[in-house]
Amino acid sequence: GAGVSQSPRYKVAKRGQDVALRCDPISGHVSLFWYQQALGQGPEFLTYFQNEAQLDKSGLPSDRFFAERPEGSVSTLKIQRTQQEDSAVYLCASSLFPGSYEQYFGPGTRLTVT
Amino acid sequence: DQQVKQNSPSLSVQEGRISILNCDYTNSMFDYFLWYKKYPAEGPTFLISISSIKDKNEDGRFTVFLNKSAKHLSLHIVPSQPGDSAVYFCAASAFSGGSNYKLTFGKGTLLTVNP
Repeated sequence: GAGVSQSPRYKVAKRGQDVALRCDPISGHVSLFWYQQALGQGPEFLTYFQNEAQLDKSGLPSDRFFAERPEGSVSTLKIQRTQQEDSAVYLCASSLFPGSYEQYFGPGTRLTVT
Repeated sequence: DQQVKQNSPSLSVQEGRISILNCDYTNSMFDYFLWYKKYPAEGPTFLISISSIKDKNEDGRFTVFLNKSAKHLSLHIVPSQPGDSAVYFCAASAFSGGSNYKLTFGKGTLLTVNP
Protein backbone atom coordinates (compact mmCIF):
# COMPACT_ATOMS: atom_id res chain seq x y z
CA GLY A 1 0.00 0.00 0.00
CA ALA A 2 0.96 3.67 -0.16
CA GLY A 3 3.38 5.00 2.39
CA VAL A 4 3.34 8.30 4.22
CA SER A 5 3.24 11.22 1.83
CA GLN A 6 4.08 14.85 2.48
CA SER A 7 3.55 18.02 0.50
CA PRO A 8 5.08 20.19 -0.63
CA ARG A 9 8.45 18.46 -0.81
CA TYR A 10 10.23 21.82 -0.88
CA LYS A 11 9.10 25.19 0.36
CA VAL A 12 10.89 28.52 0.25
CA ALA A 13 9.39 31.23 2.42
CA LYS A 14 10.41 34.78 3.11
CA ARG A 15 10.93 35.62 6.75
CA GLY A 16 7.62 36.58 8.28
CA GLN A 17 5.47 34.50 5.96
CA ASP A 18 3.12 31.78 7.18
CA VAL A 19 3.52 28.23 5.83
CA ALA A 20 1.41 25.07 5.96
CA LEU A 21 2.88 21.61 5.56
CA ARG A 22 0.68 18.62 4.85
CA CYS A 23 1.02 14.98 5.88
CA ASP A 24 -1.00 12.02 4.60
CA PRO A 25 -0.31 9.06 6.90
CA ILE A 26 -0.69 5.42 5.98
CA SER A 27 -4.39 4.61 5.81
CA GLY A 28 -5.70 3.30 9.11
CA HIS A 29 -2.73 4.43 11.17
CA VAL A 30 -3.96 5.84 14.44
CA SER A 31 -0.79 7.56 15.64
CA LEU A 32 0.84 10.48 13.86
CA PHE A 33 4.05 12.28 14.74
CA TRP A 34 5.81 15.40 13.48
CA TYR A 35 9.59 15.78 13.74
CA GLN A 36 11.97 18.59 12.81
CA GLN A 37 15.38 17.72 11.40
CA ALA A 38 17.94 20.52 11.26
CA LEU A 39 21.00 20.18 9.04
CA GLY A 40 23.44 17.63 10.44
CA GLN A 41 21.13 16.60 13.25
CA GLY A 42 18.77 13.74 13.91
CA PRO A 43 15.00 14.25 13.81
CA GLU A 44 13.57 15.93 16.90
CA PHE A 45 10.06 15.31 18.17
CA LEU A 46 7.54 18.12 17.76
CA THR A 47 4.06 16.75 18.42
CA TYR A 48 1.92 13.59 18.59
CA PHE A 49 -1.66 12.82 17.60
CA GLN A 50 -3.80 9.83 18.47
CA ASN A 51 -6.59 9.99 15.90
CA GLU A 52 -7.72 13.64 16.02
CA ALA A 53 -6.53 14.29 19.56
CA GLN A 54 -3.23 16.10 20.01
CA LEU A 55 -1.89 14.33 23.09
CA ASP A 56 1.61 15.77 23.21
CA LYS A 57 2.88 19.05 21.85
CA SER A 58 5.84 19.38 24.16
CA GLY A 59 8.35 19.60 21.30
CA LEU A 60 6.83 22.56 19.48
CA PRO A 61 9.54 25.24 19.73
CA SER A 62 7.26 28.26 20.04
CA ASP A 63 3.66 29.36 19.84
CA ARG A 64 4.27 30.13 16.17
CA PHE A 65 4.01 26.39 15.53
CA PHE A 66 0.58 24.83 15.36
CA ALA A 67 -0.52 21.36 14.24
CA GLU A 68 -3.91 19.82 13.63
CA ARG A 69 -5.47 16.56 12.50
CA PRO A 70 -9.19 17.39 12.49
CA GLU A 71 -10.57 14.14 11.06
CA GLY A 72 -7.95 11.80 12.40
CA SER A 73 -6.20 11.23 9.08
CA VAL A 74 -4.47 14.10 7.22
CA SER A 75 -2.44 16.45 9.40
CA THR A 76 -1.19 19.98 8.82
CA LEU A 77 1.74 21.66 10.52
CA LYS A 78 1.48 25.42 10.36
CA ILE A 79 4.29 27.84 11.11
CA GLN A 80 3.38 31.48 11.50
CA ARG A 81 5.75 34.40 10.93
CA THR A 82 8.58 32.12 9.82
CA GLN A 83 12.11 32.84 11.05
CA GLN A 84 15.44 31.72 9.60
CA GLU A 85 15.93 29.26 12.44
CA ASP A 86 12.78 27.44 11.24
CA SER A 87 14.72 26.24 8.18
CA ALA A 88 14.79 22.45 8.44
CA VAL A 89 13.27 19.27 7.08
CA TYR A 90 9.90 18.54 8.65
CA LEU A 91 9.16 14.83 8.84
CA CYS A 92 5.83 13.20 9.45
CA ALA A 93 5.56 9.64 10.72
CA SER A 94 2.66 7.33 11.48
CA SER A 95 2.20 4.07 13.33
CA LEU A 96 -0.62 1.59 13.23
CA PHE A 97 -1.82 1.81 16.80
CA PRO A 98 -0.95 3.52 20.08
CA GLY A 99 1.75 1.50 21.72
CA SER A 100 3.41 0.61 18.45
CA TYR A 101 7.05 1.54 18.66
CA GLU A 102 7.81 1.37 14.95
CA GLN A 103 7.04 4.50 13.02
CA TYR A 104 6.87 4.91 9.24
CA PHE A 105 8.25 8.14 7.92
CA GLY A 106 7.35 10.29 4.95
CA PRO A 107 10.00 11.88 2.71
CA GLY A 108 9.79 15.20 4.54
CA THR A 109 9.27 18.82 3.53
CA ARG A 110 12.42 20.89 3.25
CA LEU A 111 11.61 24.42 4.44
CA THR A 112 14.03 27.22 3.64
CA VAL A 113 13.35 30.63 5.15
CA THR A 114 15.17 33.48 3.42
CA ASP B 1 21.56 17.54 26.34
CA GLN B 2 21.85 14.65 23.88
CA GLN B 3 20.12 11.60 25.30
CA VAL B 4 21.13 9.45 22.31
CA LYS B 5 24.67 9.80 21.02
CA GLN B 6 26.29 8.53 17.87
CA ASN B 7 29.87 9.64 18.26
CA SER B 8 31.09 8.62 14.81
CA PRO B 9 29.78 10.99 12.14
CA SER B 10 31.06 8.72 9.40
CA LEU B 11 32.36 5.21 8.74
CA SER B 12 33.93 3.74 5.63
CA VAL B 13 34.23 -0.02 5.04
CA GLN B 14 35.11 -2.34 2.21
CA GLU B 15 32.42 -4.38 0.49
CA GLY B 16 32.07 -7.80 2.09
CA ARG B 17 33.50 -6.73 5.45
CA ILE B 18 31.64 -6.03 8.67
CA SER B 19 30.22 -2.60 9.45
CA ILE B 20 29.77 -1.75 13.13
CA LEU B 21 27.79 1.33 14.06
CA ASN B 22 27.68 2.40 17.69
CA CYS B 23 25.17 4.28 19.82
CA ASP B 24 25.14 5.34 23.47
CA TYR B 25 22.23 6.61 25.52
CA THR B 26 21.85 8.32 28.87
CA ASN B 27 18.15 8.00 29.75
CA SER B 28 17.54 4.86 31.78
CA MET B 29 13.81 5.09 31.00
CA PHE B 30 14.41 4.07 27.39
CA ASP B 31 13.07 0.56 26.87
CA TYR B 32 13.05 0.09 23.11
CA PHE B 33 15.71 0.88 20.56
CA LEU B 34 15.52 1.17 16.81
CA TRP B 35 17.84 1.68 13.88
CA TYR B 36 16.68 3.66 10.88
CA LYS B 37 18.40 3.99 7.53
CA LYS B 38 18.13 7.16 5.48
CA TYR B 39 18.97 7.83 1.85
CA PRO B 40 19.27 11.42 0.57
CA ALA B 41 15.93 13.14 -0.07
CA GLU B 42 14.01 10.29 1.53
CA GLY B 43 12.55 9.80 4.97
CA PRO B 44 14.13 7.39 7.44
CA THR B 45 13.13 3.76 6.94
CA PHE B 46 12.93 1.29 9.79
CA LEU B 47 15.69 -1.31 9.78
CA ILE B 48 15.74 -3.31 13.00
CA SER B 49 14.81 -2.92 16.65
CA ILE B 50 15.43 -4.42 20.05
CA SER B 51 13.55 -4.44 23.31
CA SER B 52 15.41 -3.79 26.55
CA ILE B 53 14.56 -7.32 27.73
CA LYS B 54 16.82 -8.75 25.03
CA ASP B 55 20.51 -8.37 24.35
CA LYS B 56 20.54 -9.37 20.69
CA ASN B 57 18.23 -9.29 17.70
CA GLU B 58 19.09 -10.59 14.27
CA ASP B 59 17.47 -10.04 10.87
CA GLY B 60 19.39 -11.36 7.90
CA ARG B 61 22.63 -9.41 7.53
CA PHE B 62 21.69 -7.04 10.35
CA THR B 63 22.22 -7.70 14.06
CA VAL B 64 21.66 -5.29 16.91
CA PHE B 65 23.34 -5.81 20.27
CA LEU B 66 22.22 -4.11 23.47
CA ASN B 67 24.35 -3.72 26.59
CA LYS B 68 22.00 -2.21 29.17
CA SER B 69 24.57 -1.85 31.92
CA ALA B 70 26.78 0.20 29.61
CA LYS B 71 23.80 1.97 28.00
CA HIS B 72 25.27 1.03 24.65
CA LEU B 73 23.97 -0.57 21.49
CA SER B 74 25.56 -1.44 18.20
CA LEU B 75 24.41 -2.40 14.73
CA HIS B 76 26.42 -5.01 12.83
CA ILE B 77 26.05 -5.41 9.09
CA VAL B 78 27.64 -8.54 7.65
CA PRO B 79 28.57 -8.67 4.83
CA SER B 80 28.42 -5.01 3.93
CA GLN B 81 27.18 -4.12 0.44
CA PRO B 82 27.47 -0.87 -1.55
CA GLY B 83 23.67 -0.45 -1.32
CA ASP B 84 24.05 -0.19 2.44
CA SER B 85 25.68 3.22 1.99
CA ALA B 86 23.35 5.63 3.80
CA VAL B 87 22.97 7.57 7.04
CA TYR B 88 22.06 5.33 9.97
CA PHE B 89 20.14 6.77 12.89
CA CYS B 90 19.92 5.18 16.30
CA ALA B 91 16.63 5.96 18.07
CA ALA B 92 15.23 5.20 21.50
CA SER B 93 11.77 5.22 22.96
CA ALA B 94 10.07 5.29 26.33
CA PHE B 95 6.43 5.56 27.16
CA SER B 96 5.63 9.26 27.58
CA GLY B 97 1.98 9.12 28.52
CA GLY B 98 -1.14 8.92 26.35
CA SER B 99 0.33 6.01 24.35
CA ASN B 100 3.06 8.30 23.11
CA TYR B 101 6.14 6.39 22.12
CA LYS B 102 7.99 9.32 20.66
CA LEU B 103 11.43 8.59 19.32
CA THR B 104 14.64 10.29 20.44
CA PHE B 105 17.26 10.16 17.70
CA GLY B 106 21.02 10.39 17.56
CA LYS B 107 22.72 12.60 14.99
CA GLY B 108 23.38 9.74 12.63
CA THR B 109 26.41 8.00 11.13
CA LEU B 110 27.14 8.15 7.42
CA LEU B 111 28.17 4.69 6.27
CA THR B 112 30.04 4.35 2.99
CA VAL B 113 30.63 0.87 1.63
CA ASN B 114 33.31 0.86 -1.04
CA PRO B 115 33.17 -1.71 -3.87
